[in-house]
Amino acid sequence: AQSVTQPDIHITVSEGASLELRCNYSYGATPYLFWYVQSPGQGLQLLLKYFSGDTLVQGIKGFEAEFKRSQSSFNLRKPSVHWSDAAEYFCAVGRNDYKLSFGAGTTVTVRA
Amino acid sequence: DTAVSQTPKYLVTQMGNDKSIKCEQNLGHDTMYWYKQDSKKFLKIMFSYNNKELIINETVPNRFSPKSPDKAHLNLHINSLELGDSAVYFCASSQAPPTGYRGYTFGSGTRLTVV
Repeated sequence: AQSVTQPDIHITVSEGASLELRCNYSYGATPYLFWYVQSPGQGLQLLLKYFSGDTLVQGIKGFEAEFKRSQSSFNLRKPSVHWSDAAEYFCAVGRNDYKLSFGAGTTVTVRA
Repeated sequence: DTAVSQTPKYLVTQMGNDKSIKCEQNLGHDTMYWYKQDSKKFLKIMFSYNNKELIINETVPNRFSPKSPDKAHLNLHINSLELGDSAVYFCASSQAPPTGYRGYTFGSGTRLTVV
């Protein structure tokens, strides 16, 4: 069975500081990896995805993520957060079937 | 044009009622999904249809019945609503995996509140 772990339930970061959100997965083969963001009361917005190739992936809103096969990780980073980055962040994994498996999410709070 | 649209956006109803949520996509995808996000924000797939055929049916009470009249529509009917059904329900669509993951698109969600 595959699983997705986001070890950090809640992260508080100062505006302008860097942010890193962790994601680990368990799956035998190379999975399809995603990061989504959900603002309060909103739907899911895709930040970035990794399927193959360059292990450093650039996404929208200044986010990037790095796939590390040896660590089964796909961590999300942003060099300088803005107050508008306060949201819930979800890591997701897809296999060769029809469903995405999501982590439990990390809540990001940005303080002024 | 909204790619994956769900109606209604909000739904408040009493226990024991029957309700439906509708989903439509205009992306030309052949696979559609229902996900449930519970009060702790955990997201889990419920159903998936490919070309109107049910291909994923997770452990969901049989009070939940999906229906796909055509490739562009996937509706969710819920009978005898219970308090625990309160959640946000997301519709999504894609082409068939794995290539379909490139275009996996979510709707904006339907917030169901059972009182």
